Formats: sequence, structure tokens, C-alpha cells
Amino acid sequence: NAGVTQTPKFRVLKTGQSMTLLCAQDMNHEYMYWYRQDPGMGLRLIHYSVGEGTTAKGEVPDGYNVSRLKKQNFLLGLESAAPSQTSVYFCASSSTGYWETQYFGPGTRLLVL
Amino acid sequence: ELKVEQNPLFLSMQEGKNYTIYCNYSTTSDRLYWYRQDPGKSLESLFVLLSNGAVKQEGRLMASLDTKARLSTLHITAAVHDLSATYFCAVDPPGLSFGAGTTVTVRA
Repeated sequence: NAGVTQTPKFRVLKTGQSMTLLCAQDMNHEYMYWYRQDPGMGLRLIHYSVGEGTTAKGEVPDGYNVSRLKKQNFLLGLESAAPSQTSVYFCASSSTGYWETQYFGPGTRLLVL
Repeated sequence: ELKVEQNPLFLSMQEGKNYTIYCNYSTTSDRLYWYRQDPGKSLESLFVLLSNGAVKQEGRLMASLDTKARLSTLHITAAVHDLSATYFCAVDPPGLSFGAGTTVTVRA
């Protein structure tokens, strides 16, 4: 049981390049989330999904797109990377239980030059 | 807009003493979460508080929730070095709104 995994762990991009971050969970969770964490700040929600085929915007969605084609995967795309998107990206998942916490992946460190 | 405020943002603790971290949030929320993050690591769930008056304890950490005051506290009893980390509170739904975190350092 791997929990929540993220690919890649680290990536350097040039301004204007595109990339996709992959999140996978093996806990059969319905809900999945993408957050970003900047130095000295808490996490901010980018997009989330409440089930396969659904997505919704969070607090800071601009410049990102997401897809949830399979229940276990949640993809975060950057179409044209900007230096302001330099951050650590965390994926999380949770079940529908009211008492459930969110389980976080190990994070992807992204540097945009 | 939901706002979550933690204080203090930095806490230097002496081993063996007790301390409290405060978490205020601006709108009604049924659930409050506490997480721990070690440097360069992911977030580890500590507590989920579901109702007014809820109190949970794990080792030297105890968390409580007052939904009427929109306040949660994380109390640390007899601090030890292993508790050095950044502690976040968060509220939902949907998705979590996080406080800025409290960076805790425990000194001998």
C-alpha cells in the first residue's frame, strides 16, 4: 500500500515550457486535491476533484489545468510555466467519510527559470 | 473568503515546558485539522476535530475546538526535541484552507 505518490519529485523548467505532474493513490479515495506551498506559507488549494471525471477550481487555479480520467489518478498541468509557479506541489486524497483526514503525497519541487 | 490565522508563527520552546498554538478561522466550519510538517517533508495528519468542544490527545499534543469562538488550540505538554517541526491548522470544505504555520523549535 503506497498511499499517495507523486511523479516527478523534482523538475526544472524554462519559462513557457509545459509539463504535467502526476498524482496516484491506491486507497480508493473519491476526493483528490492539488496544493502548492510557497516558502513561509501554508498550502493553497489549486484544484480538486470529488470523483472520476469531475474537477473544480480552488483558491489559486490560474495557470493550471487538471484532469481526473481515472479514479486513482489526478493530473496537474502547466501549459506555459512562469517563474511565479516555482513552488512545491502536494497532492492529497481523502475518502468521503466525514471524519476522514487528507493524506498527502511526498511533494514535487518545481523550479521555473 | 475564509481566512485561517495561526499564532505565534514562530515558537522557541524550552524542553520540559508547556506551550499553546492558536488557530482562528473566519467563517463557520464543521471540521478542523492539525498537521505536522518536518523540513523538506510532506504533511502528517495529527488530529481531525469534528464538533464543538472536541478534544483529542496524542502523546504530548492535545488539540481542542471551539466552533462558537472559531478557535482551535494545540497544546504541547513538556516539550521535547522530537516535537520540533512546523504545525499547520486547516479548515474545510471543500479542500483545505491552511494557516501560515507555526514553526516550533525546542531547545535544551
